[in-house]
Amino acid sequence: DQQVKQNSPSLSVQEGRISILNCDYTNSMFDYFLWYKKYPAEGPTFLISISSIKDKNEDGRFTVFLNKSAKHLSLHIVPSQPGDSAVYFCAASPGGYQKVTFGTGTKLQVIP
Amino acid sequence: EAQVTQNPRYLITVTGKKLTVTCSQNMNHEYMSWYRQDPGLGLRQIYYSMNVEVTDKGDVPEGYKVSRKEKRNFPLILESPSPNQTSLYFCASSSGQPNTGELFFGEGSRLTVL
Repeated sequence: DQQVKQNSPSLSVQEGRISILNCDYTNSMFDYFLWYKKYPAEGPTFLISISSIKDKNEDGRFTVFLNKSAKHLSLHIVPSQPGDSAVYFCAASPGGYQKVTFGTGTKLQVIP
Repeated sequence: EAQVTQNPRYLITVTGKKLTVTCSQNMNHEYMSWYRQDPGLGLRQIYYSMNVEVTDKGDVPEGYKVSRKEKRNFPLILESPSPNQTSLYFCASSSGQPNTGELFFGEGSRLTVL
């Protein structure tokens, strides 16, 4: 049972345009949502997070939106840069010491 | 430099030959975890540990063992590896205070079981 779903395996965007990566979840107990970025031959690195009490969190070019009623979150990257080309994982956790559940990832390619 | 270190980074072994992948973190983190990454399946948790001597199963624990005798180390043990354990493995740690799920990952260990 995939509790965190990323339905788009890949996405291509022109440099300078907006990238929108989507994620859906099924577990109502999730309280924290995170995005990780992964380059080839490296471990994932934390990008941005949002707690369930908020619906938006911004950090520079990256913004995460949370729609709790739809159990949906999205990551917006504006403007997209070639260095943003990577695999992006959505993740969720009930918080505390509970485990973090990851989605299957979306491979973003930003075309110069 | 704060980091999570895994060894070996690459390993080819044969079915049934016991192996251990080591993981060490220098951030004094309480929480540590092992994940495996497979195509189309994303990152799946194998085991996690909330503190020394406290471990619990993740989503795919079959065929793996772990131990947490020291805070900094969390080795992953494959007692009798099989080809379906061929995968890319990541160790991760978290401060847990407060735990928002933010994990620090190692660079990964690519394991091939023939």
